[in-house]
Amino acid sequence: EIQLQESGPGLVKPSQSLSLTCSVTGYTITSGYDWSWIRKFPGNKMEWMGYISYSGSTNYNPSLKSRISITRDTSKNQFFLQLNSVTTEDTATYYCARVLRRVPGVMDAWGQGASVTVSS
Amino acid sequence: DIQMTQSPASLSASLGETVTIECRASEDIYNGLAWYQQKPGKSPQLLIYNANSLHTGVPSRFSGSGSGTQYSLKINSLQSEDVASYFCQQYYNYPDTFGAGTKLELK
Repeated sequence: EIQLQESGPGLVKPSQSLSLTCSVTGYTITSGYDWSWIRKFPGNKMEWMGYISYSGSTNYNPSLKSRISITRDTSKNQFFLQLNSVTTEDTATYYCARVLRRVPGVMDAWGQGASVTVSS
Repeated sequence: DIQMTQSPASLSASLGETVTIECRASEDIYNGLAWYQQKPGKSPQLLIYNANSLHTGVPSRFSGSGSGTQYSLKINSLQSEDVASYFCQQYYNYPDTFGAGTKLELK
C-alpha cells in the first residue's frame, strides 16, 4: 500500500525559503506516476502548486512559477518542494500526492499534510 | 484560471438521507472533474474522477454526475462514516483548480 508523508519546518520567516520533503513508501517514484504538491490555505481554499513526473520533468502553476522548484532524490524515493521568498500568504497546509497518469490531474493517494506558518 | 464554485459550504443531514453537493465551473470542463473526501486530521481520499467514475474501493452509495459546467456528488443512504469535508477539482484545464469545499455533518 502506498503511503506519502510530508516533513519539514513548521515555521518559516518571511522572505526565506520553505522546503518540504515527501517520503513515499510502497511505490517507486520512477515507476510511472506523477507527483504533485498542493496546498490548503486557512479558510479552505486549495491550490495546485506543481508536479514532478516519473521521468523527472516538472510543471508548475503559473502563479508560482518564479518561486517554486520541485525536485527529487530517487535513491531515497523522495521528492521535494522549495518555495522561495515566502510571505504570510504562503501560510498553509502542504500536501504531496500521487497523480494518476491514465487520468492526468487526478490524485489517488495523498499525504497527511504539513502545516507551515510564515511568521517573523 | 477556471473558477470552481462549490455549494453548499456546509450541510447537515440525517443518517440514511440522500445528500447532494454541487460544483459549477466558470467554463466547460468536459467532465474533467474529481471529487475527494477529507475526514478531520486525515488525508484527502479520491472518490470520483471523470465526473462519474467511481474510484476503486469507494462504496457504491457515492455517485457523480453532470456535464458542461455543472457537476454534482450524491451520497445515498448517508452513513456516520461519511461525516467529512468534500471538495471538487477540475483538471480539464491547466492549472487544476478546486472548489472551496463542503463540510458535511450529521443532524
